[in-house]
Amino acid sequence: AQKVTQAQTEISVVEKEDVTLDCVYETRDTTYYLFWYKQPPSGELVFLIRRNSFDEQNEISGRYSWNFQKSTSSFNFTITASQVVDSAVYFCALIPPRTGANNLFFGTGTRLTVIP
Amino acid sequence: EAQVTQNPRYLITVTGKKLTVTCSQNMNHEYMSWYRQDPGLGLRQIYYSMNVEVTDKGDVPEGYKVSRKEKRNFPLILESPSPNQTSLYFCASSESQGSAFFGQGTRLTVV
Repeated sequence: AQKVTQAQTEISVVEKEDVTLDCVYETRDTTYYLFWYKQPPSGELVFLIRRNSFDEQNEISGRYSWNFQKSTSSFNFTITASQVVDSAVYFCALIPPRTGANNLFFGTGTRLTVIP
Repeated sequence: EAQVTQNPRYLITVTGKKLTVTCSQNMNHEYMSWYRQDPGLGLRQIYYSMNVEVTDKGDVPEGYKVSRKEKRNFPLILESPSPNQTSLYFCASSESQGSAFFGQGTRLTVV
């Protein structure tokens, strides 16, 4: 069975602070894909990153970085120098092998509020 | 431009009045799926389709129907909507493993 847990329901930070959003997953598969999506107040889901389970390299994209650790089944997301535009709900998700949009497992999301 | 298009974006309807939310993708994807999003519950799968005429239930299929007569379209049908189906709905598609493209979402309110 697959499961994604985002234990932080809501986080508030002051602008320019760094913030880390946690994501822990459960799966028996050795191959899988992990995702982060951003949902701004307008409601759409914005793709942020896709990570193959074989690729444990951390990734940085501007102020965003992701720490993938297979040993702890975690895929955490850090925003450096947060900005008000980062305020959104963030979802972590997992896709098992040999499946795609038909089989996404989402966490319950973390609502991030960045206070100016 | 590759995209998944849902219509309508917003809908307010009354209990019991049948409605259809359309979903269309222009990427020739085989896999399509419907999710609903509710506060504190994340996104939960309603129905999915592996190809034309191949559909199956997800985690919360009660009260919904789907069809996949053409590869590009995957409509979500609520035969007799009820207030507990008030939610934000997303359609998704992908060509194979490890990817997913989402529509813009449909906010449905059933009064």
